Amino acid sequence: DAGITQSPRHKVTETGTPVTLRCHQTENHRYMYWYRQDPGHGLRLIHYSYGVKDTDKGEVSDGYSVSRSKTEDFLLTLESATSSQTSVYFCAISDRVSYGYTFGSGTRLTVV
Amino acid sequence: GIQVEQSPPDLILQEGANSTLRCNFSDSVNNLQWFHQNPWGQLINLFYIPSGTKQNGRLSATTVATERYSLLYISSSQTTDSGVYFCAVRDGSEKLVFGKGTKLTVNP
Repeated sequence: DAGITQSPRHKVTETGTPVTLRCHQTENHRYMYWYRQDPGHGLRLIHYSYGVKDTDKGEVSDGYSVSRSKTEDFLLTLESATSSQTSVYFCAISDRVSYGYTFGSGTRLTVV
Repeated sequence: GIQVEQSPPDLILQEGANSTLRCNFSDSVNNLQWFHQNPWGQLINLFYIPSGTKQNGRLSATTVATERYSLLYISSSQTTDSGVYFCAVRDGSEKLVFGKGTKLTVNP
């Protein structure tokens, strides 16, 4: 979707290294989310943000941190990547008028 | 937490057939959405439907909140309808809980 972009699209990293994934939106939506998608688990919420510098944990937040210094950017950081964090990561944005969610194209992260 | 179950897990159709996908949820919800994940991984929001019925072209959805289920109807299916269909609900928190999805394959 043109209003939300994720970078990088693919990344391979080594165990123990830090990794930052970026989500950028041009829709000026207040709410932003990070999900991970794994076979057998569907999509699970990692962290979300309800405004600049306002963030909270989701159901699988251990090992992840987030930051939102501007409305348009939401960063997900793996401080020390582990093989269990190999996954596809999706960013989503939402407004509270339509309640619709728009997802980014995803980042495929492989931790070796 | 709230549980979301989708059925069937897999569905194979011939082009032109109709289908019904079901989503059951365990508690009251204030937000229910249907998504389609295409074979390239892109997630597309189909419907926001916490109650009632909506239609968009060949797709329609009905949610009966009092009975805790939602149905997604696909009529005259096309090969481009293939992918995984997810139901997701929110119970008042910020967490949108996804079901495990129905994988639809439409053969030409």
